[in-house]
Amino acid sequence: DTEVTQTPKHLVMGMTNKKSLKCEQHMGHRAMYWYKQKAKKPPELMFVYSYEKLSINESVPSRFSPECPNSSLLNLHLHALQPEDSALYLCASSQGLRGPNGYTFGSGTRLTVV
Amino acid sequence: DAKTTQPNSMESNEEEPVHLPCNHSTISGTDYIHWYRQLPSQGPEYVIHGLTSNVNNRMASLAIAEDRKSSTLILHRATLRDAAVYYCILGGFFGNEKLTFGTGTRLTIIP
Repeated sequence: DTEVTQTPKHLVMGMTNKKSLKCEQHMGHRAMYWYKQKAKKPPELMFVYSYEKLSINESVPSRFSPECPNSSLLNLHLHALQPEDSALYLCASSQGLRGPNGYTFGSGTRLTVV
Repeated sequence: DAKTTQPNSMESNEEEPVHLPCNHSTISGTDYIHWYRQLPSQGPEYVIHGLTSNVNNRMASLAIAEDRKSSTLILHRATLRDAAVYYCILGGFFGNEKLTFGTGTRLTIIP
């Protein structure tokens, strides 16, 4: 299995809802990432997990809450989002070993906040 | 983070070679040069990476200047499926670093 699987593919949520995005990989990768991508812009890093511990938080608002329950799973919990949070949310993974690891990206969850 | 500079857009004819340039004058000695591409409605996809020497794989070639301040991604024979945004990114020495994407080059392939 050489894929990163993200679910759901599309999500519409209200500003008072709570929802979660899920990311799964079975490549034995030990580093996992959340990126946010607005239309016509490059992906922007949100969080990095290394060996299931949060290692980088790029000053993301607390309405986004990441979780790494085990080495294969990465969740992003969403609460009280704003319409400007509408974007494509991308998950990625890499081996996490020293050296030039390739990063494998999922196809993303397209989130619309109404 | 060391920055990269790429042209916003390029066009190429189908079945011809494409040379995508990237400038990275502030590259550090431990920075690898990575290229990723993003097809419409998909996540980014790894293309190639290198440190000092030129590199080839089944997708592309990477030519790195001797002073490492610039590099060129070469698609030997462009197809319509190569139409994408191509990102040149520095880093990746420690294995769990963030990849910081620049604005990339939008490549259009003309049939």
